[in-house]
Amino acid sequence: SAVISQKPSRDICQRGTSLTIQCQVDSQVTMMFWYRQQPGQSLTLIATANQGSEATYESGFVIDKFPISRPNLTFSTLTVSNMSPEDSSIYLCSVTPDFGGTQYFGPGTRLLVL
Amino acid sequence: AQSVTQPDIHITVSEGASLELRCNYSYGATPYLFWYVQSPGQGLQLLLKYFSGDTLVQGIKGFEAEFKRSQSSFNLRKPSVHWSDAAEYFCAVGYNAGNMLTFGGGTRLMVKP
Repeated sequence: SAVISQKPSRDICQRGTSLTIQCQVDSQVTMMFWYRQQPGQSLTLIATANQGSEATYESGFVIDKFPISRPNLTFSTLTVSNMSPEDSSIYLCSVTPDFGGTQYFGPGTRLLVL
Repeated sequence: AQSVTQPDIHITVSEGASLELRCNYSYGATPYLFWYVQSPGQGLQLLLKYFSGDTLVQGIKGFEAEFKRSQSSFNLRKPSVHWSDAAEYFCAVGYNAGNMLTFGGGTRLMVKP
């Protein structure tokens, strides 16, 4: 398995500002994912972030709004830019160990935009 | 495109009763199937998974699930529910073992004393 931590665990932000969320894994992994979970909703994939390449964004998500960095095999950041109240969500990172199999999730970052 | 349906948004069962949560998927090939649980204020914890082989899989916390190809289903079961099982349950599908997941809408389980 993989142990994943996220920072911050929660935040309250003002509209128009940006927040960078960090995701740290206890082992090296190639594949890392960022998901959004809007209030009372299921999870939606934002992007796939593989080390050494540009992040791949899903339909409806763009790099200008959700820039992602993946500087090494244990760390990634997701920035939520120019926030609006509609960005209030839980943001989760997940990883799949390089031997394959299960996707493991971090505890999530709970974001409230006022 | 693959999709996952969890028909029951909310389910309430009495403590000690049996439980079945439904999950149906739409995908052309044999998918990789997962059930996750999310307790209030927590992240997602894997309950069990199906990749291949025996279609009845055992998971943690006494849960099991059965893959039925003919019905495109992967229903989650537990013979006797505990109050601590109250949570949100998500079924997820992937098209290979390590790639992105498509999640169902979730089923919120409430347990009556």
